[in-house]
Amino acid sequence: NAGVTQTPKFRILKIGQSMTLQCTQDMNHNYMYWYRQDPGMGLKLIYYSVGAGITDKGEVPNGYNVSRSTTEDFPLRLELAAPSQTSVYFCATRPPGGEAETQYFGPGTRLLVL
Amino acid sequence: QKEVEQDPGPLSVPEGAIVSLNCTYSNSAFQYFMWYRQYSRKGPELLMYTYSSGNKEDGRFTAQVDKSSKYISLFIRDSQPSDSATYLCATHHTGGFKTIFGAGTRLFVKA
Repeated sequence: NAGVTQTPKFRILKIGQSMTLQCTQDMNHNYMYWYRQDPGMGLKLIYYSVGAGITDKGEVPNGYNVSRSTTEDFPLRLELAAPSQTSVYFCATRPPGGEAETQYFGPGTRLLVL
Repeated sequence: QKEVEQDPGPLSVPEGAIVSLNCTYSNSAFQYFMWYRQYSRKGPELLMYTYSSGNKEDGRFTAQVDKSSKYISLFIRDSQPSDSATYLCATHHTGGFKTIFGAGTRLFVKA
């Protein structure tokens, strides 16, 4: 099993550009999450999904959009990139009611907006 | 007030030292308490998990929860340079979709 994969690993965007961060999982987990991590600030939840077709906002959703058409994929869309969106983005999954209610994280996407 | 407070450090210790990492939380409804370890340029991975109060031991690691004081601790015995990482505490309540993470404490273990 590949677990949680994220692409790209690193990207530089110009202000105003748009891009999609890809997240794919092969563990058949219902719950999926997008976080951003800024230095010394921990993980901030952007959006989450409890299953295909169902998404909801997290703590910091402004400037982002998501969709969940399949169990496997949960892409994150940035429409108008701003310097404040420079961060490391992590996708995570979680099985509902699973032992430890563990979240499984992908390797992250580093985004630099200039 | 943040729901989970964690000192970001950094914390530097010599090899073999006992390390104590701590968090406080504000919501008494939280029942699940986790510690994640994150190596540089990697995603976090679960290290320890406890439900409600008490201790849990796994090798050199011990997780402790004191619900009366809303205090979460992780102890690392005989620390090794390979333990150098960022440690994030996390919590959520029963049935909750969202996990609340602390800021993470950067730990350096010097050989």
